[in-house]
Amino acid sequence: TQLLEQSPQFLSIQEGENLTVYCNSSSVFSSLQWYRQEPGEGPVLLVTVVTGGEVKKLKRLTFQFGDARKDSSLHITAAQPGDTGLYLCAGAGTYKYIFGTGTRLKVLA
Amino acid sequence: DVKVTQSSRYLVKRTGEKVFLECVQDMDHENMFWYRQDPGLGLRLIYFSYDVKMKEKGDIPEGYSVSREKKERFSLILESASTNQTSMYLCASSFSYMNTEAFFGQGTRLTVV
Repeated sequence: TQLLEQSPQFLSIQEGENLTVYCNSSSVFSSLQWYRQEPGEGPVLLVTVVTGGEVKKLKRLTFQFGDARKDSSLHITAAQPGDTGLYLCAGAGTYKYIFGTGTRLKVLA
Repeated sequence: DVKVTQSSRYLVKRTGEKVFLECVQDMDHENMFWYRQDPGLGLRLIYFSYDVKMKEKGDIPEGYSVSREKKERFSLILESASTNQTSMYLCASSFSYMNTEAFFGQGTRLTVV
């Protein structure tokens, strides 16, 4: 069974701080996605990374796919209260998405 | 605007009842999925379907069944609801499972009493 583990599970930081969330697996994935979920809603896609070593930026969010395509990281610069939510990584398995355990981020004003 | 719609936001059912959760997508997607979400466990796949009338078990299919009679509709059935099936249920659809976005419904919070 392919598994994706995220760390940390919870993160509470002050506005303006930087943070990094990690997504790790022992399996190789052809692509990896990051989603954000707000309370009471379903997850929404932030980014897809496909190539080993790939780096993608979305405003203050930087996503990296590991060289071996087994891990990924999400770095947020100067976090804002609007970044609060549950962050989920997901790998493409056979006919399905495999989701990580999630990182719940709270940014305090 | 693409949309995945789940029939109920909140449901309360009694132990032993048969429960139907409905999901409809308007994007002509081939693939549809049912996940349950529990704190600390992430999203766990119950069943998925890659074509009409096709279904495959996910990681936790026990106590559940599914139906996909039409491309746009994927139903999750709890044959005899139990308290350990109290959870958030999320339906999703995608054009392809490879490198494409999964679109989620807003979720159904089911409580079994």
